[in-house]
Amino acid sequence: AQKVTQAQTEISVVEKEDVTLDCVYETRDTTYYLFWYKQPPSGELVFLIRRNSFDEQNEISGRYSWNFQKSTSSFNFTITASQVVDSAVYFCALSAYSGYSTLTFGKGTMLLVSP
Amino acid sequence: DAGITQSPRYKITETGRQVTLMCHQTWSHSYMFWYRQDLGHGLRLIYYSAAADITDKGEVPDGYVVSRSKTENFPLTLESATRSQTSVYFCASSDGDRGKAYEQYFGPGTRLTVT
Repeated sequence: AQKVTQAQTEISVVEKEDVTLDCVYETRDTTYYLFWYKQPPSGELVFLIRRNSFDEQNEISGRYSWNFQKSTSSFNFTITASQVVDSAVYFCALSAYSGYSTLTFGKGTMLLVSP
Repeated sequence: DAGITQSPRYKITETGRQVTLMCHQTWSHSYMFWYRQDLGHGLRLIYYSAAADITDKGEVPDGYVVSRSKTENFPLTLESATRSQTSVYFCASSDGDRGKAYEQYFGPGTRLTVT
């Protein structure tokens, strides 16, 4: 069975601080996908990134970066120089690579960025 | 409008009533999904569909019925609503390739209250 754990329920930072959101997953599959979604206070779910398990290269997109480490089954998300607009709930998710697959979500981490 | 829409956005109903939540997507995505979001549980999959007339149960299907006669629509019916079904319901869709579903794009959600 697949499982995603986001141990941090809530994180509070002050604007311009860097913050890392942790994601640890469990799967028996050798290949799989990992995802991050953002849910701002308005409620919609916004797709941020998808990574294949066979591509461990870290990715950077503006102030966002993702650190994928297969050895520790982690896919952590870092926001550099956080802004108030980053305040949201962030979800990590996992799906199998082969065959029909659904997403298994973590319970989310609420990030509050104060001015 | 292009994208994925849900209706109604808010609904209050009484215990025992039948309620149908609508979901419509304009991308011609093969896959569609229904989730419920509850505090402390994150997102849980109710039902999903790989194509028209193909549906399958997710993690929490009891008390719900789905159908998919057209690719673009995926209604979710609560046959006899219970208070435990008070939740925010999200519909999502995803493109796919050879049976693999990719990142899911979510609708705005329907907030359902059962009194």
